[in-house]
Parts: sequence; C-alpha cells; structure tokens
Amino acid sequence: ETGVTQTPRHLVMGMTNKKSLKCEQHLGHNAMYWYKQSAKKPLELMFVYNFKEQTENNSVPSRFSPECPNSSHLFLHLHTLQPEDSALYLCASSQDPRDRLRSYGYTFGSGTRLTVV
Amino acid sequence: ELKVEQNPLFLSMQEGKNYTIYCNYSTTSDRLYWYRQDPGKSLESLFVLLSNGAVKQEGRLMASLDTKARLSTLHITAAVHDLSATYFCAVSDGNQFYFGTGTSLTVIP
Repeated sequence: ETGVTQTPRHLVMGMTNKKSLKCEQHLGHNAMYWYKQSAKKPLELMFVYNFKEQTENNSVPSRFSPECPNSSHLFLHLHTLQPEDSALYLCASSQDPRDRLRSYGYTFGSGTRLTVV
Repeated sequence: ELKVEQNPLFLSMQEGKNYTIYCNYSTTSDRLYWYRQDPGKSLESLFVLLSNGAVKQEGRLMASLDTKARLSTLHITAAVHDLSATYFCAVSDGNQFYFGTGTSLTVIP
C-alpha cells in the first residue's frame, strides 16, 4: 500500500447507474487529484483539490462530479456514464500542490478499474 | 499544451540484454519524472530529474535528462524478469504534470 487507498478496486456499472469512487490518504497531504488512465492514452488529469477547494477542472464532462469533504478524502461521483468512460481511475495526493513539481511528485493509489456496460 | 511522447510503446527484451526507453517533450521544462506501474497496481515513483545533464541510477535502471534536446532516457542494464512493468515519464510545465503514453516492458527469460 502506498498510503493512498482507493475503493472499490473494480466496478462494473450500467449507463443508467449512479456510483461513487472513493479515495483516502493519511499522509497529511494537502492536495488530491483524480486522473483517468485509458488504454493507449496518456494519463489525463481530471480534477485537482487543494485544501479541499477545487482548483482545476480539465474540461471534464458533468457526468463526473468530484467531492472533497476534507483533505483526507476525495470522491468521484458517477452518473449516466458512457462505455468510453471505461478506464482506470487513479487518485493521487501530494504534500503541497507545488511539491508535485519539486520532489517525487505524487503518491498514487492503486486505482479503480471501471467498466461501463 | 505540453506533449510528451515515449517510445517504444511496447518492448520485449531478453534477460541480460540492455535497452533504452526514450521520452521526448514539446516545450521547455526542467523537471522530469519516471514512474513504474505493475499490472493492477499504483504508479510508483522511480526518479525525478531536476536539471540539464542530471543522471540518476537505481539498480539496473538509469535515467538521464537533456533539457536542450527535450529528451530523457531510461536505460535498462542486464534486464531481469522483475523489471517487467509499464514505465511512464511525466513532465511539468510549472503547473501540472503531463504524462507519456507509457512503455510496456516485458522481459523474457
């Protein structure tokens, strides 16, 4: 375990379902991120939270809705997804948003493998 | 937008052989990161390269950075099966990371 825990590890959902992905870190980090990893594509940054405030939203469709109730927890709420949304969703954290640019970057979770049917 | 290209995308190599993975990026950056990802697992940080000419080594892996050529290399020496994984490079533009597509490495006995 890296210190960033994601649940569930695998999720299969229909296009009309509503589900949530959870990310938890107890590293004392202040910034948390959602990334999407699709086959044969670069990792795509989706959302950034800094001290619980959303600071970046990289043109992500509204069917993805993030929530950060505190600096240790991050959620990604999913509804009316499309099959092309099937991917590995990775959560990451860093001590400070600027730290990601200096030291060892992020600490990643193991990801949630999402399949939309 | 900063673009990051890795090659090869797939690499199959025999144990004991040497090989190099390349990471090119499109605009100026002085920070480059290498990550390793095992199937079904998290990305694990390998190296951070912070200046032109930086070279770092860990075991059979050695990473280098040429900021003038906008190129980083990850050299594998005398490959062993345990090195089989996907390797990502990532570059920062001062605001966020941009990742390459990854190189899937398979080391064959």
